[in-house]
Amino acid sequence: DADVTQTPRNRITKTGKRIMLECSQTKGHDRMYWYRQDPGLGLRLIYYSFDVKDINKGEISDGYSVSRQAQAKFSLSLESAIPNQTALYFCATSDFAGSGYTFGSGTRLTVV
Amino acid sequence: KNEVEQSPQNLTAQEGEFITINCSYSVGISALHWLQQHPGGGIVSLFMLSSGKKKHGRLIATINIQEKHSSLHITASHPRDSAVYICAVPNAGGTSYGKLTFGQGTILTVHP
Repeated sequence: DADVTQTPRNRITKTGKRIMLECSQTKGHDRMYWYRQDPGLGLRLIYYSFDVKDINKGEISDGYSVSRQAQAKFSLSLESAIPNQTALYFCATSDFAGSGYTFGSGTRLTVV
Repeated sequence: KNEVEQSPQNLTAQEGEFITINCSYSVGISALHWLQQHPGGGIVSLFMLSSGKKKHGRLIATINIQEKHSSLHITASHPRDSAVYICAVPNAGGTSYGKLTFGQGTILTVHP
C-alpha cells in the first residue's frame, strides 16, 4: 500500500456540486498538506494541518474547506465546485522539520 | 513570500549527456527540496538539503546558501530520467517547517 493514499484518482463533477477529496497516510507524520497544481503555475498550498487540532489556510483557500479527522486522515472539500477549480490536487505529509516529504498520487478533478 | 525561479523551463538531451537544472530563491532558507514528477503525475521527493552536496545514484544536488542557489545534476542521463523536476523552498524563508513554495518545474526529455 502507498504511504499516502488519495481517493478518488479521477473525478468529473458538475458546477455547484459539493465534492470531497480524501487523503490517508501511514507515515506517522503529524503534518499534512493539500496542494493544487495548474499548468504553468506550479503547486500552490490550499490548506495545511500541523496536528489534529491545528488547521491553517494556505495561499489559495477560498472555495475550499478541510477536515482533519485523525492524525492519518485529512480531507479537502469543495463546497460548491466551479470550473476554475479544475486541477490536479495533491495531498502531502512531512515530519516536524519538513523532511520526509511524501506526496499522494494526486486527484485529477474536472468541474464541468 | 519566497520566490523561486528554475531554469531552464524545458530541456532536451541525448542519452548519456550530463544534465544541470538550476534553482534560485529570494529569501534565505535552511533547506531546499528537489522533487521529481513523472508523466503519470506522481511526485517523489529526491533530496532535501541544507548545505553542500548530496548524491543518490546518478543524481547530485548542490546548494549555496549564501548565493541562494541550488543545482540538480544528472550524470549519464537515460530516457527513464524524463520527467518534470521541481525545486521547492520554505514559503516564508527560514527553517523548513513544511509549508513550501514551488518552482514551476523543468521539463526534461532524454532521447535514446
